[in-house]
Amino acid sequence: AQSVTQLDSHVSVSEGTPVLLRCNYSSSYSPSLFWYVQHPNKGLQLLLKYTSAATLVKGINGFEAEFKKSETSFHLTKPSAHMSDAAEYFCVVSDPTGGGNKLTFGTGTQLKVEL
Amino acid sequence: NAGVTQTPKFQVLKTGQSMTLQCAQDMNHEYMSWYRQDPGMGLRLIHYSVGAGITDQGEVPNGYNVSRSTTEDFPLRLLSAAPSQTSVYFCASSLFNGNQPQHFGDGTRLSIL
Repeated sequence: AQSVTQLDSHVSVSEGTPVLLRCNYSSSYSPSLFWYVQHPNKGLQLLLKYTSAATLVKGINGFEAEFKKSETSFHLTKPSAHMSDAAEYFCVVSDPTGGGNKLTFGTGTQLKVEL
Repeated sequence: NAGVTQTPKFQVLKTGQSMTLQCAQDMNHEYMSWYRQDPGMGLRLIHYSVGAGITDQGEVPNGYNVSRSTTEDFPLRLLSAAPSQTSVYFCASSLFNGNQPQHFGDGTRLSIL
């Protein structure tokens, strides 16, 4: 079984300050992990993915995440927040068993960016 | 390049009515899936398909049916709508090779009265 815990349901930052969105996972397998972003009334867009290559993963729009096996974490960071980053972010783990790409989602973190 | 297209975008139903949510993709992806999104619960897998003619249940399949007659289309049917099925529904597709990122449609917002 696998699960994902996003430690903060809401995060608020000022524009130009760093962003940290926290995610812990549990998996019986060597996991593949993703971060997706959802803007209001839109579908989900892939930010980045980890699939057992480099532990520091760079994504779109300046985001990156570091896979830490010892801490079972996959936190998302960005050095400087922009107003356009305001959205909901989902940490996701992929189940490689049974064929296909079954995903388990965290409950999401709403990011608010203030002037 | 359309990607994943969902129709309708919005729908209001009465309890007991049936309807079909449409999903089509033009990327020749083998894997397609349906999720529902409810506040504070993330997305939960309803049904998925690994290719034409093959479907399987996800985490929350009760009250929903699917079929996959072509690679492109993966409709979701509500047989007898219930208020508990009020949600936002997302269709997604990807290559079958494990751990591929999924491409999502923009969602169908469904209200059951």
